[in-house]
Amino acid sequence: ELKVEQNPLFLSMQEGKNYTIYCNYSTTSDRLYWYRQDPGKSLESLFVLLSNGAVKQEGRLMASLDTKARLSTLHITAAVHDLSATYFCAVDKSAGGTSYGKLTFGQGTILTVHP
Amino acid sequence: GAGVSQTPSNKVTEKGKYVELRCDPISGHTALYWYRQSLGQGPEFLIYFQGTGAADDSGLPNDRFFAVRPEGSVSTLKIQRTERGDSAVYLCASSRPKGTSGRSSYNEQFFGPGTRLTVL
Repeated sequence: ELKVEQNPLFLSMQEGKNYTIYCNYSTTSDRLYWYRQDPGKSLESLFVLLSNGAVKQEGRLMASLDTKARLSTLHITAAVHDLSATYFCAVDKSAGGTSYGKLTFGQGTILTVHP
Repeated sequence: GAGVSQTPSNKVTEKGKYVELRCDPISGHTALYWYRQSLGQGPEFLIYFQGTGAADDSGLPNDRFFAVRPEGSVSTLKIQRTERGDSAVYLCASSRPKGTSGRSSYNEQFFGPGTRLTVL
């Protein structure tokens, strides 16, 4: 059974600081997604990581994937209040380019950015 | 274009009642997914449709839960004899057909706003 674990689960940051959220998963996959969820809202797609060594950046967020270590990171640079949200990683249990369709999500990291 | 829509946005029902939750996927998306998100947790997979057929229903918790997609577009999640433990936000997502060019061929799922189900 695929397990996806995020840490930390809660992250309180000051504006301007940097931090990293980690996502570990238990079985082979080369397809990982990061989503953002604001309170009471649905999930917004942030990044799609499709191969070992993939790195994607958007604004103050950068995501990377190491399939050998079964690890993805979401790095936050110079945090601002608008980044406060819950961040989820999700793994698509795929192999050889075929998607199985089903995403397994981590528990989520609740990020709060303080002035 | 329009995103995934779900109705109702909120549903309050009594224990033992039957409920139906509806999902309208993005036009042209042949894959449709249902997830359930309990408070403070990540979404959990329930069922996946490719076209009209359920390709994977391994996440349905028991036989009180059933989902249909008769014409390959709109889907309905049906819950019989609801229990208090069924209270959660039910999320629907859709994705493009396999073989489509670009990153969406890799099952990028676009989520709807969810239906918050409360069973009293």
